[in-house]
Amino acid sequence: DGGITQSPKYLFRKEGQNVTLSCEQNLNHDAMYWYRQDPGQGLRLIYYSQIVNDFQKGDIAEGYSVSREKKESFPLTVTSAQKNPTAFYLCASSVDSPYEQYFGPGTRLTVT
Amino acid sequence: AQSVTQLGSHVSVSEGALVLLRCNYSSSVPPYLFWYVQYPNQGLQLLLKYTSAATLVKGINGFEAEFKKSETSFHLTKPSAHMSDAAEYFCAVSGPGNEKLTFGTGTRLTIIP
Repeated sequence: DGGITQSPKYLFRKEGQNVTLSCEQNLNHDAMYWYRQDPGQGLRLIYYSQIVNDFQKGDIAEGYSVSREKKESFPLTVTSAQKNPTAFYLCASSVDSPYEQYFGPGTRLTVT
Repeated sequence: AQSVTQLGSHVSVSEGALVLLRCNYSSSVPPYLFWYVQYPNQGLQLLLKYTSAATLVKGINGFEAEFKKSETSFHLTKPSAHMSDAAEYFCAVSGPGNEKLTFGTGTRLTIIP
């Protein structure tokens, strides 16, 4: 089955620690995206990548970093510089832009 | 720049009643429009999309939406609500030359038995 996997489903970290969220897709999609979701705010774009070894900042990139070394993988690192990292993080991919995006199941990160 | 406004952060309808979720967009180019559904603690699932073909778009689970350029709207409807329709719904807009989707803030749909 083709799809997007995100792991883990739930993640707990202490304040001041960096944490990396995994996103893998086997849909052979070129474009991949990371969103942050907070209650009442919809989805906000963190980073996106249209091709391997290239990525662009989204609307709220501060405190986050990404890499795109392989077509199928787009990990997101939440750094200690992110002031309010507790949120639900969603990864998505698309064949190309601006076509529909397919979403993974999400990772809920809690930082205390 | 593109934007989406979803009127009503919460909508409640009785089981069997009409579902109407509102979405208005702003776009400087011909838009592509999408409706997604999200169940608790899950990712988003595409319900339907408009990409400049027929203005009335049919999606999954009995939902449909009509693109009205004059009203800059793309409202989502379903003739008869089912308990399983309870979820959060997001409208999104994109356009040719724009590699990003812009999402609305979502509408939480509650179904009253």
